[in-house]
Amino acid sequence: RKEVEQDPGPFNVPEGATVAFNCTYSNSASQSFFWYRQDCRKEPKLLMSVYSSGNEDGRFTAQLNRASQYISLLIRDSKLSDSATYLCVVSGGFKTIFGAGTRLFVKA
Amino acid sequence: NAGVTQTPKFQVLKTGQSMTLQCAQDMNHEYMSWYRQDPGMGLRLIHYSVGAGITDQGEVPNGYNVSRSTTEDFPLRLLSAAPSQTSVYFCASSSQGQGEQYFGPGTRLTVT
Repeated sequence: RKEVEQDPGPFNVPEGATVAFNCTYSNSASQSFFWYRQDCRKEPKLLMSVYSSGNEDGRFTAQLNRASQYISLLIRDSKLSDSATYLCVVSGGFKTIFGAGTRLFVKA
Repeated sequence: NAGVTQTPKFQVLKTGQSMTLQCAQDMNHEYMSWYRQDPGMGLRLIHYSVGAGITDQGEVPNGYNVSRSTTEDFPLRLLSAAPSQTSVYFCASSSQGQGEQYFGPGTRLTVT
């Protein structure tokens, strides 16, 4: 079983749609959680950190459920520019594990 | 600030050749890491460093060496290239072990 698992997609959605991604992790001792965005043939960049209380950044909302060991990302009012791969990242100690990513295509 | 820089951007090697991928950061970060990214597998940690003079192995260290003589530089050496090392290599740095990581633009390596 992979330490961090994501649905690879792709998710194909129209502009303006709401889309949600989930991610599960296996190490209950994990301490930090993130969503990164990666554009085609580019480096990953931090989208947002994920906190137990949930956090929101504009159209993006992230949630962490420690009991069930999953993380979610909700994107509202999708834009064409949101098309990318979204990486779920889990960290504990000096060990950071990246999920394989979920592809999102937003179409006009 | 340049952030994290990597050279070269592209490289083709023959099996058995050796080379060094360069990585430098100008953010005074203590933590630096090397990852490889292959289709469908996500980024996998090769080696990491928590400060100058300190390095440790990650998930897939075989066939690679690293050193950290300064805070700024963290080169990755391929000892004897193999086709299985064809991949995209990313260097990253962070001010905290579990904090936001800043990535370089990557090196696309092909081993024939």
